[in-house]
Amino acid sequence: LAKTTQPISMDSYEGQEVNITCSHNNIATNDYITWYQQFPSQGPRFIIQGYKTKVTNEVASLFIPADRKSSTLSLPRVSLSDTAVYYCLSPPELDTGRRALTFGSGTRLQVQP
Amino acid sequence: AAGVIQSPRHLIKEKRETATLKCYPIPRHDTVYWYQQGPGQDPQFLISFYEKMQSDKGSIPDRFSAQQFSDYHSELNMSSLELGDSALYFCASSLVLAGLVTDTQYFGPGTRLTVL
Repeated sequence: LAKTTQPISMDSYEGQEVNITCSHNNIATNDYITWYQQFPSQGPRFIIQGYKTKVTNEVASLFIPADRKSSTLSLPRVSLSDTAVYYCLSPPELDTGRRALTFGSGTRLQVQP
Repeated sequence: AAGVIQSPRHLIKEKRETATLKCYPIPRHDTVYWYQQGPGQDPQFLISFYEKMQSDKGSIPDRFSAQQFSDYHSELNMSSLELGDSALYFCASSLVLAGLVTDTQYFGPGTRLTVL
């Protein structure tokens, strides 16, 4: 599983685009990158997952360059309700029999009015 | 859409007491996970079950045990509670589909356990 590193905190204002970069220098060939969002006192929520290039859904975009040693979560036009902790994870492959998500120190995003 | 249900949502216990947390996964999900999140900390994996069998084990204390029942709900049993067990306990569920490399875990709202 890739060890991930991301900024401890970020600040933004409503309406801005927020990009959170995650480093994973030791990512293996079969590793995916997944992002979860967690609001205070709530369970983490899956946002997006990717392997390479770009993935987009209704919530965010995920950019993974060709070398896959980093990835960037992009949140378009954030609002106050996007204030949360964002975790970059490398989930285990199902065929390993492992199931655990390993949460490192996420990025605490604070959106100001 | 149905979500993961956890009960109780809040629980207050004294030291050395026991506690039982319950988790009802999303219908048709076959895997249940338990995570512990202490104050100001990140979630830590405890244990998981796939099709009612333990599938993975993390940093679960020997004082804790868990099981998944025939209806796929799971219970986390905690004995000889300590002050340090005060935390949010999350249950998550997923469905392992053929052809998928990884699964997506859906978390419940959590049970806040306070040990006095």
